[in-house]
Amino acid sequence: LAKTTQPISMDSYEGQEVNITCSHNNIATNDYITWYQQFPSQGPRFIIQGYKTKVTNEVASLFIPADRKSSTLSLPRVSLSDTAVYYCLVGPAGAAGNKLTFGGGTRVLVKP
Amino acid sequence: GAVVSQHPSRVICKSGTSVKIECRSLDFQATTMFWYRQFPKQSLMLMATSNEGSKATYEQGVEKDKFLINHASLTLSTLTVTSAHPEDSSFYICSAEWGSQPQHFGDGTRLSIL
Repeated sequence: LAKTTQPISMDSYEGQEVNITCSHNNIATNDYITWYQQFPSQGPRFIIQGYKTKVTNEVASLFIPADRKSSTLSLPRVSLSDTAVYYCLVGPAGAAGNKLTFGGGTRVLVKP
Repeated sequence: GAVVSQHPSRVICKSGTSVKIECRSLDFQATTMFWYRQFPKQSLMLMATSNEGSKATYEQGVEKDKFLINHASLTLSTLTVTSAHPEDSSFYICSAEWGSQPQHFGDGTRLSIL
């Protein structure tokens, strides 16, 4: 399973764009990149998943360079409620029993 | 979106008690369910992988006789913490997957052993 490295923490202010970069140098050809958000005392919530280039949904964008050795989660115009821990994971999508290995995550604090 | 329900959300019980936690996929049939444990300020640690109708696969260091997993149907998996002790106090989270969809997580169970 590819190991991921993320910043431990990041501060931002309401209305700003937050970009979290994750390194995954030994990502495999069939690995996807998935990001989850976790609030205290709750389970992780799926944010976005991608394989290459750029993926966008209603809450975030995911930028993946051609070499796929890193990825950047972009949260546009954050609010106080976006304060959470964000996890980047890599692994094959759809494989039966696809185990996810959670790294330390990035603790994002959004200030007023 | 996919919903995974976990019950109970919080349990407080005496040392020596066995505690059962349920994990249900409400709107899909989960091919695989996973159980995680999370200590305060730490990341999630995978405990075991559970497939319907077969024995769970436990991660290294997780006692299978301590943490009993039953996956009786495609929508229900249970984790029983047997003879729980204070060191078993933690936040237990399940997840479920099907097809090529990413794993979806329950909201966790806070277990406190007195």
